[in-house]
Amino acid sequence: AQTVTQSQPEMSVQEAETVTLSCTYDTSESDYYLFWYKQPPSRQMILVIRQEAYKQQNATENRFSVNFQKAAKSFSLKISDSQLGDAAMYFCAYRSGGSNYKLTFGKGTLLTVNP
Amino acid sequence: NAGVTQTPKFQVLKTGQSMTLQCAQDMNHEYMSWYRQDPGMGLRLIHYSVGAGITDQGEVPNGYNVSRSTTEDFPLRLLSAAPSQTSVYFCASSPRTYSYNEQFFGPGTRLTVL
Repeated sequence: AQTVTQSQPEMSVQEAETVTLSCTYDTSESDYYLFWYKQPPSRQMILVIRQEAYKQQNATENRFSVNFQKAAKSFSLKISDSQLGDAAMYFCAYRSGGSNYKLTFGKGTLLTVNP
Repeated sequence: NAGVTQTPKFQVLKTGQSMTLQCAQDMNHEYMSWYRQDPGMGLRLIHYSVGAGITDQGEVPNGYNVSRSTTEDFPLRLLSAAPSQTSVYFCASSPRTYSYNEQFFGPGTRLTVL
């Protein structure tokens, strides 16, 4: 079974600065997808960014980017120019390729943004 | 589109009571699933369905039943609630057109079992 580990229960960053959230995963599969979800205090789960394992290029969505290291099984999220609205719980998630739609989540990292 | 809707938003039960958490989606998504979120545990998969009439167990299925009679609805039943089922429950859906699919989450139901 796959496992996802987020080793930082809490992180903080100053507004306008950059922060990196860590995620590692364990799998024997070669075809899979990785996701970062954001959960603000409203508790709505919001997809931030996603990465296909077969793509070497790191995904980027505006101020959010990932550092995908397939051999190291690492998938970190970098938030640039942090904003107060980025404060939330962030979850890393893994999904096998093919017709398996099940997500395996890490335990989350609570990000605080200080003004 | 309303997306994924869940009712109720909050619920308090007594031990032994039964209830059904409702989940509906209007996006014609084949895949639907239920997760529970507990402090420090992330989200864990309870049950899922790949289409009407087809359901299967996830990581933590004990104490929960599901059925999928229509594409739109995927209710989660607690037959005899226990304090260990106190949690926030999320329903999610996605299409099966290709593998990269994003899963769309509902707003969640906070359940407390006394």
